[in-house]
Amino acid sequence: ILNVEQSPQSLHVQEGDSTNFTCSFPSSNFYALHWYRWETAKSPEALFVMTLNGDEKKKGRISATLNTKEGYSYLYIKGSQPEDSATYLCAPSNTGKLIFGQGTTLQVKP
Amino acid sequence: DGGITQSPKYLFRKEGQNVTLSCEQNLNHDAMYWYRQDPGQGLRLIYYSQIVNDFQKGDIAEGYSVSREKKESFPLTVTSAQKNPTAFYLCASSIRTDSYEQYFGPGTRLTVT
Repeated sequence: ILNVEQSPQSLHVQEGDSTNFTCSFPSSNFYALHWYRWETAKSPEALFVMTLNGDEKKKGRISATLNTKEGYSYLYIKGSQPEDSATYLCAPSNTGKLIFGQGTTLQVKP
Repeated sequence: DGGITQSPKYLFRKEGQNVTLSCEQNLNHDAMYWYRQDPGQGLRLIYYSQIVNDFQKGDIAEGYSVSREKKESFPLTVTSAQKNPTAFYLCASSIRTDSYEQYFGPGTRLTVT
C-alpha cells in the first residue's frame, strides 16, 4: 500500500493570499498523480491528472507540479478566493487503484 | 445529463442486516470504484472494477461484496461481517483506470445501530 502524506492538514488564509500544499508519495511503482477538490456538501471534483516527471498543469488560478523521482507534488493557488475553500486531495495511482491522502482543508476568509 | 447517481442519500440499518448501496453511471465509463470515508481519514478504496464482469479488492474489502453485471451499475453490499459499517460511501467511475480522472457520485451516508 502506498503511503501518501499531505501537508499541511489545514490552512486558513485571507482572500487574495497565495498558498501551496504538498503531496508526498513513494516514488516507486508510480503511474499517475491525481488532484481533487472536495467542497462541503458536494462530490470530489478532478483538478489535474499528471503522469510525467516535471509535469506542470494549470486551471485558472490553480496550478500543480509533479516530481516523480523524489515523490512529491505541489498544488498552488494564486490570489485565493472564498470559493476556493475546500479540501484538496491528492492520490497517486498504481495498477488501477488510487490511494488518497487525508487532504488539506483550505479556508479562505473574505 | 451524464453523471453518477447514488441512492439513497441516507440509509439506516440495524446491526446484523446486509444492505446494498446503489451506484449507476451513464457516462459509458469502463471503470467503477467504491470508497469509504470515516471522520479524519482520507478516502479508502473498497472495491474497483475495470470492466464488466470483473472486479478487484481494494484496501478494505473485508465485509463487503460487489457485482458488475452491467457496465452502468456497480452495487455495493455491506454485509453483517463488516465490523464498523457506519460511514460515508462514495462511488466513482472513470473511462479507464490509472491516468483517467474519476467522476464521483453524491455519496450515501450509512448508519448502522
